[in-house]
Amino acid sequence: AQSVAQPEDQVNVAEGNPLTVKCTYSVSGNPYLFWYVQYPNRGLQFLLKYITGDNLVKGSYGFEAEFNKSQTSFHLKKPSALVSDSALYFCAVRDRTYNFNKFYFGSGTKLNVKP
Amino acid sequence: DAGVIQSPRHEVTEMGQEVTLRCKPISGHDYLFWYRQTMMRGLELLIYFNNNVPIDDSGMPEDRFSAKMPNASFSTLKIQPSEPRDSAVYFCASSRPGGPDTQYFGPGTRLTVL
Repeated sequence: AQSVAQPEDQVNVAEGNPLTVKCTYSVSGNPYLFWYVQYPNRGLQFLLKYITGDNLVKGSYGFEAEFNKSQTSFHLKKPSALVSDSALYFCAVRDRTYNFNKFYFGSGTKLNVKP
Repeated sequence: DAGVIQSPRHEVTEMGQEVTLRCKPISGHDYLFWYRQTMMRGLELLIYFNNNVPIDDSGMPEDRFSAKMPNASFSTLKIQPSEPRDSAVYFCASSRPGGPDTQYFGPGTRLTVL
């Protein structure tokens, strides 16, 4: 079965410091991996995706994520956090086997960036 | 591009009443997804359509829930009868032909069942 895990419910970081939001996955075959962000009272917004190719993927708002096949991880990173980055972040994997178009979302990680 | 449109944005109803949530996907998108978000269960996929045809409804919690997509620009999610445990935020998302690599989410409908 396809799944993703976000081991941290919450991440706290000071503005200007680097941030990492963790995600690990369990899939059959090669994964399609995604990060989405949700601001209060809004729908999810796409940040970035990994399909194939370079393990370091760059996305919106200065975010990037590194695909690590040996560790089955896809951690979200940003070199310098902003207060406006405070939001709920979701990792997701797309099923590429039986149910080709189904997405599985992690439980979400709340990022708090303090001034 | 107007984005995915959902209505109503907020719905408060009493237990036992019928609730209908509406979604207009982005023009040209042929995948449509309905999700439910709660604190306890996170984000759950309820059902998704491709070219107006339901593909996977395994996430629909029970027979009280039904979804339709009569045409490419409109979908409904109906709950009849509603129960307090149905209280949640319901999201609709759509994606382009060729596979849903990127889903575009609507703003959601916050449903409260008293």
